[in-house]
Amino acid sequence: ETGVTQTPRHLVMGMTNKKSLKCEQHLGHNAMYWYKQSAKKPLELMFVYSLEERVENNSVPSRFSPECPNSSHLFLHLHTLQPEDSALYLCASSPGTVANTGELFFGEGSRLTVL
Amino acid sequence: SQQGEEDPQALSIQEGENATMNCSYKTSINNLQWYRQNSGRGLVHLILIRSNEREKHSGRLRVTLDTSKKSSSLLITASRAADTASYFCATDSYGNKLVFGAGTILRVKS
Repeated sequence: ETGVTQTPRHLVMGMTNKKSLKCEQHLGHNAMYWYKQSAKKPLELMFVYSLEERVENNSVPSRFSPECPNSSHLFLHLHTLQPEDSALYLCASSPGTVANTGELFFGEGSRLTVL
Repeated sequence: SQQGEEDPQALSIQEGENATMNCSYKTSINNLQWYRQNSGRGLVHLILIRSNEREKHSGRLRVTLDTSKKSSSLLITASRAADTASYFCATDSYGNKLVFGAGTILRVKS
């Protein structure tokens, strides 16, 4: 158990659906991250929240919408996705702020398949 | 943009042998980190080495950092089948985000 919990672990959705990925950290960390991992590609940083403020939006299409209601929870809202969005979505947290990242603690990921 | 690049892309060794993976990067860094990922799972932090450090040990892991060559290596000694995983380096550039390389897939045969 890493202290970072992601749900659901697996999600299959059609291109017209709306769904959300949830991440919860029990570590008291200040920063939370969404990464996308596609086959044979480096991890792509999508969004960063530091002290509940979004500090990074890495040119991510608007069909991905993050939400950070408090320092322990992070959501990724999905709508009208494309098949190429199928990937493993990883949430992470870190004790430091973005200026001093330190070690990241990852969840187990949400495997998304878009039909 | 990708900062760290691992080499080799894949490595297959026998149990008990040592495994060495290399990472090269392009810009100045605050620290460099190594992570392990078992198939389809989340990443697990292994070790962090700061820019003013040259070598660090953790159990069977040894990491070196050469800032003049902008490179790092991860050595796993006396490998075990359970070490089979993907290994990633990640660079933390001052005031910036943590950027991961594409990873090295390590297979340890028993």
